Amino acid sequence: EAQVTQNPRYLITVTGKKLTVTCSQNMNHEYMSWYRQDPGLGLRQIYYSMNVEVTDKGDVPEGYKVSRKEKRNFPLILESPSPNQTSLYFCASSPNPYYEQYFGPGTRLTVT
Amino acid sequence: KQEVTQIPAALSVPEGENLVLNCSFTDSAIYNLQWFRQDPGKGLTSLLLIQSSQREQTSGRLNASLDKSSGRSTLYIAASQPGDSATYLCAVLQDYGQNFVFGPGTRLSVLP
Repeated sequence: EAQVTQNPRYLITVTGKKLTVTCSQNMNHEYMSWYRQDPGLGLRQIYYSMNVEVTDKGDVPEGYKVSRKEKRNFPLILESPSPNQTSLYFCASSPNPYYEQYFGPGTRLTVT
Repeated sequence: KQEVTQIPAALSVPEGENLVLNCSFTDSAIYNLQWFRQDPGKGLTSLLLIQSSQREQTSGRLNASLDKSSGRSTLYIAASQPGDSATYLCAVLQDYGQNFVFGPGTRLSVLP
């Protein structure tokens, strides 16, 4: 089954404790991206990647890091999480940005 | 900076009605526009993708139109059903980059 998977689905952590949210797709897509969704603000793009080793900032990259060492994986790293990063995070992929995007199920992160 | 708005924010209709959801964007330099559906606790599902050179796209009971010059798109849902209840989001891909900008969404409730 073609899909985008994210782990974990739910995470509660404390301020400053480094964490990684994994994203993997099995569709051989070149383009992958991360979003956060907050009430009243909608979805905002954090980072995107056009291909392996190619990443670029979206609208809200501060406090986040990404890496793209393999085509199928695009982890999101929070080196020192803060409460304002409490949000619902989505990973998405597509053959390229000009095609429809496929979204993962989301990761709900709470930073206390 | 591109801004995307959606009207109305919420809509409740009886089953069987035809309805229109609106999406507006401030910068007409877009490559494409995509409509998504989001069910509670789940990720986004792509419904329709309209390239900037197209005027409309249809899929089953859904029809999306695009007027790039005026910065508007509409999603028409014919003969609405309770299963159509969800939040509908539109997103534009900028002409000069590979990042997406989303609208805040319209929450639709179709009453049996």
